[in-house]
Amino acid sequence: AQTVTQSQPEMSVQEAETVTLSCTYDTSESNYYLFWYKQPPSRQMILVIRQEAYKQQNATENRFSVNFQKAAKSFSLKISDSQLGDTAMYFCAFMKPRGSQGNLIFGKGTKLSVKP
Amino acid sequence: EAQVTQNPRYLITVTGKKLTVTCSQNMNHEYMSWYRQDPGLGLRQIYYSMNVEVTDKGDVPEGYKVSRKEKRNFPLILESPSPNQTSLYFCASSPRTGARSYEQYFGPGTRLTVT
Repeated sequence: AQTVTQSQPEMSVQEAETVTLSCTYDTSESNYYLFWYKQPPSRQMILVIRQEAYKQQNATENRFSVNFQKAAKSFSLKISDSQLGDTAMYFCAFMKPRGSQGNLIFGKGTKLSVKP
Repeated sequence: EAQVTQNPRYLITVTGKKLTVTCSQNMNHEYMSWYRQDPGLGLRQIYYSMNVEVTDKGDVPEGYKVSRKEKRNFPLILESPSPNQTSLYFCASSPRTGARSYEQYFGPGTRLTVT
């Protein structure tokens, strides 16, 4: 069974600085997807970024980028130029695209606080 | 506006009183799913549906029912709610093809309290 581990329950960063959130996962699959979701105090789950396992190039979305290390089963999220609006819970998630398609396996989350 | 809607957003009920949480999406997505979020446990899948009339159990299906009679709707039914079903519930949908395939879009959540 797949598992997703986020080892940092809480983190803080100063506004405008860079922060990296860690995520590791365990799977025997070779084809899968990885996601980072953001949950601000409003509780809405917002997709931040996704990575396909077959792509070697790391995904980027504006200030958000990932460091995907397939052999190490590591998928960290880097937030550059942190803004107060980035304060949220961040969840790493794994998905196997075949079979039980769309069954996202979530980590327990990292609470990020951006300080002015 | 493309969205997933859930109703009600907040619900307080008593043990054993049947309830339904509705979920609707306007993006023509084939796939829909229900999750519950509990402190320290993250989000866990309850049920999912690949398409109309096709549903299957997720990781924590006990005490829940679903139906998918129309593509846009995927209600979650608690026939006899119990206090351990007090949780924050999310509905999600995703397309199965295209550039955004497998990306799940979440509703705003339903906070359920069972006393």
